[in-house]
Amino acid sequence: QKEVEQDPGPLSVPEGAIVSLNCTYSNSAFQYFMWYRQYSRKGPELLMYTYSSGNKEDGRFTAQVDKSSKYISLFIRDSQPSDSATYLCAISANSGYSTLTFGKGTMLLVSP
Amino acid sequence: KAGVTQTPRYLIKTRGQQVTLSCSPISGHRSVSWYQQTPGQGLQFLFEYFSETQRNKGNFPGRFSGRQFSNSRSEMNVSTLELGDSALYLCASRPNSGSTGELFFGEGSRLTVL
Repeated sequence: QKEVEQDPGPLSVPEGAIVSLNCTYSNSAFQYFMWYRQYSRKGPELLMYTYSSGNKEDGRFTAQVDKSSKYISLFIRDSQPSDSATYLCAISANSGYSTLTFGKGTMLLVSP
Repeated sequence: KAGVTQTPRYLIKTRGQQVTLSCSPISGHRSVSWYQQTPGQGLQFLFEYFSETQRNKGNFPGRFSGRQFSNSRSEMNVSTLELGDSALYLCASRPNSGSTGELFFGEGSRLTVL
């Protein structure tokens, strides 16, 4: 079993839809949870960063972590065509120099 | 403030050759990490350097190596290239020690091995 599982998609939605992106992980030692967005031919950029269980909201984006289920989610409200990108979850066991373990990414396509 | 800069952006090599990729981190960042991204395996950690010292290393063969200079710039080298080394190689820098997750990525160097 891979440490982080993520559905590769593509996930196609119409503009304005609510999008739900998800990852599951296997190692209960993971404590830091991130979502990165990667546009075509670009490097990933950090979208959301959370620690421990609960929700974190930033504009149209909400990150949710359920450590008991080892499940993390990213919700996008009022999706826009500019949200079309690959979304990668990333998880780390501890702070400092701990490396990140990435999911393979979900490609999201938002049509006008 | 300039972002992470990687050179070259694209390169084509043949099997058996070697390649060196360069990364200039954001000014003031002392930690540089390298990742390999492929459609099949996704993003995989190669190694991380901080203050010219390798801090962590991923599960890659010894053909993959790196180094960091006193100005925090980093290079990675792949020797005896194989077809499977074709990938996007991403460099990322951290603001400083203790800043988990705040990796700032460059646009990558896309390597094609023929």
